[in-house]
Amino acid sequence: EVQLVQSGAEVKKSGESLKISCKGSGYTFSSYWIGWVRQTPGKGLEWMGIINPHDSDARYSPSFQGQVTISADTSISTAYLQWSSLRASDTARYYCARAYLSTSWPDYWGQGTLVTVSS
Amino acid sequence: QSVLTQPPSASGTPGQRVTISCSGSNSNIGRNNVHWYQQLPGAAPKLLIYSNNQRPSGVPDRFSGSKSGTSGSLAISGLQSEDEADYYCAAWDDGLNGRVFGTGTQVTVL
Repeated sequence: EVQLVQSGAEVKKSGESLKISCKGSGYTFSSYWIGWVRQTPGKGLEWMGIINPHDSDARYSPSFQGQVTISADTSISTAYLQWSSLRASDTARYYCARAYLSTSWPDYWGQGTLVTVSS
Repeated sequence: QSVLTQPPSASGTPGQRVTISCSGSNSNIGRNNVHWYQQLPGAAPKLLIYSNNQRPSGVPDRFSGSKSGTSGSLAISGLQSEDEADYYCAAWDDGLNGRVFGTGTQVTVL
């Protein structure tokens, strides 16, 4: 069974750093891209970027370029989304999702990680 | 902020047919496929329709999709209580060079 299991909820302060994770199982992790999606009540679903775990080729949506870093470690079948300096506006639920190609639309999704940033 | 516009809400009684529209432009739906996601309360989005009208394995044939010009459409026939969810359309946007989602439609079963 394909599963993407994300790390737990985080409560942080503005300016702090954060790295959340997404562990894949039930399939060959390096054969699928992993994308990240942000969900907020105000802006709905927003595509952030995607990475090929095989060669760490990461591609970012223009809105998120330079704001976050996407990485992956195939040895532990895990992808990451990280911030160097959080803002209150980063408060959201973040989903990872699996896609067959960089241009494919994700089929399996993680359960989401709620990130709360206080100012 | 989304470039794909959906009605905020839709509703129907059990057994009815409900249709949700997704309005885009030539830079997204006009040139690319439309996809649909279902998000049940408290859950992650689930791929419901891909490439305009294709259903992934396991998705009931009550759900169907179509595309015409710069708009897409999702139909739910034989509406059931478990269909209460938020539905999002999605497409690639050539102008933004990235994926975009619709504003979302909340479906209520009366």
